[in-house]
Amino acid sequence: QQQVKQSPQSLIVQKGGISIINCAYENTAFDYFPWYQQFPGKGPALLIAIRPDVSEKKEGRFTISFNKSAKQFSLHIMDSQPGDSATYFCAAFNQAGTALIFGKGTTLSVSS
Amino acid sequence: DTGVSQDPRHKITKRGQNVTFRCDPISEHNRLYWYRQTLGQGPEFLTYFQNEAQLEKSRLLSDRFSAERPKGSFSTLEIQRTEQGDSAMYLCASSLYLAGRETQYFGPGTRLLVL
Repeated sequence: QQQVKQSPQSLIVQKGGISIINCAYENTAFDYFPWYQQFPGKGPALLIAIRPDVSEKKEGRFTISFNKSAKQFSLHIMDSQPGDSATYFCAAFNQAGTALIFGKGTTLSVSS
Repeated sequence: DTGVSQDPRHKITKRGQNVTFRCDPISEHNRLYWYRQTLGQGPEFLTYFQNEAQLEKSRLLSDRFSAERPKGSFSTLEIQRTEQGDSAMYLCASSLYLAGRETQYFGPGTRLLVL
C-alpha cells in the first residue's frame, strides 16, 4: 500500500533555530511532493512543493531537500518563529494518479 | 475571498441522522477532492471529480456516503445514517488540472461530531 512516513511526530524548537521534518516514501511513481501547513481549526495550506528532477527548492525561510535514491525528502524551516507553530504534513502525489498521500503530520512548537 | 469555501464549518448531529456538506471550489478549477481527517492524522482521500464526473472513490467511502458535483461547480458530500465513527474533519480541495499537473488547494473544512 502506498505510504508516506513522516518524522518526528512532534518537535520543539527555540525561536531562531532550524526546524527539520523528514519524510520517506515507497512508491517510485510519486512525482510531486508538497508540504502543507495546518493551524488548529483550519484546512491545510500549501507551503512549498518539489518535483523529483531537482534536489532542493527554497522559498524564503522554507527549503525542501529531496533525495531521490533514498526516497526521502525533508522540510527545513530556517530562523523558526513562534508564528510557525503549526502542524506540518508532507505529501506525495502521482500525476498519473489522483489523490495526495499524506504523512501523519508533525506538530511544531517554536518557543520564544 | 477567492479560495475554497466549505459550509457549514461545524456540524453536530445525532447518530442515525443524515448530514450534507457543501464545497465551493476556486473558480475555473476543474478538479474537486474530498478528504477526511481525524485527530492526529493526515487527510485521507475519499473521492474526486473532474468537472462533473466522479472519477474515483476510496474504499473509505462506504455506501452511506455519496458525493455529487452537478454542472462541475460546487460539490456536496452526504452521509446517511451517521455513525460515531464518522466524526472527523471533512476537507475539500480543488485544483486546475492541466497537462498532467495540478496543485491542490484546501478549504477550511467541516468538522462533524456525531453524538
